Amino acid sequence: EAGVTQFPSHSVIEKGQTVTLRCDPISGHDNLYWYRRVMGKEIKFLLHFVKESKQDESGMPNNRFLAERTGGTYSTLKVQPAELEDSGVYFCASSAYSREGQYFGPGTRLTVL
Amino acid sequence: RKEVEQDPGPFNVPEGATVAFNCTYSNSASQSFFWYRQDCRKEPKLLMSVYSSGNEDGRFTAQLNRASQYISLLIRDSKLSDSATYLCVVNRQTGANNLFFGTGTRLTVIP
Repeated sequence: EAGVTQFPSHSVIEKGQTVTLRCDPISGHDNLYWYRRVMGKEIKFLLHFVKESKQDESGMPNNRFLAERTGGTYSTLKVQPAELEDSGVYFCASSAYSREGQYFGPGTRLTVL
Repeated sequence: RKEVEQDPGPFNVPEGATVAFNCTYSNSASQSFFWYRQDCRKEPKLLMSVYSSGNEDGRFTAQLNRASQYISLLIRDSKLSDSATYLCVVNRQTGANNLFFGTGTRLTVIP
């Protein structure tokens, strides 16, 4: 069974530019999550989709971040315009049921210069 | 106060040793508990869920004390391949289904 995949693995952009991250969850997993780890800090929740609906987006830092999951399959996370403090590793995770542990993708390492 | 507190370590132990990690969580509404393992520059991988009755998976034993809001992980007969960062993770689930992570405890098993 294929795991959670993310693209790209690395992205280096300049402040003010736009970046879109993609996540493909494990097939059949209705629950999809985005997390972020900023250097030196713990991993923090950004948002949760159940199928195509946003269940919880309380962790989104501000309106420069936009997540979508059209059709309930893959998800994208767009940062526009990117700021220096957006640098970090963005992880996507999925689960079949909300009460079980989540399976993480390899992450996208974003560097904003 | 952080949702999940862990001793960052590092813990350096010889092969074959037994090592224990602890963590505490601040929100008594937390419902699900997990230990994840993270290798350097890799994603967190689910090691095991933690249940009130305690649970064991091979050399790994996890315990939960709800009264003290305390979770533990015991690794017996440490292997070199156990070297990693161990993340204590809780899920509140009442109104939110997101995971709260500790900063992790770094373990190095020495030959």
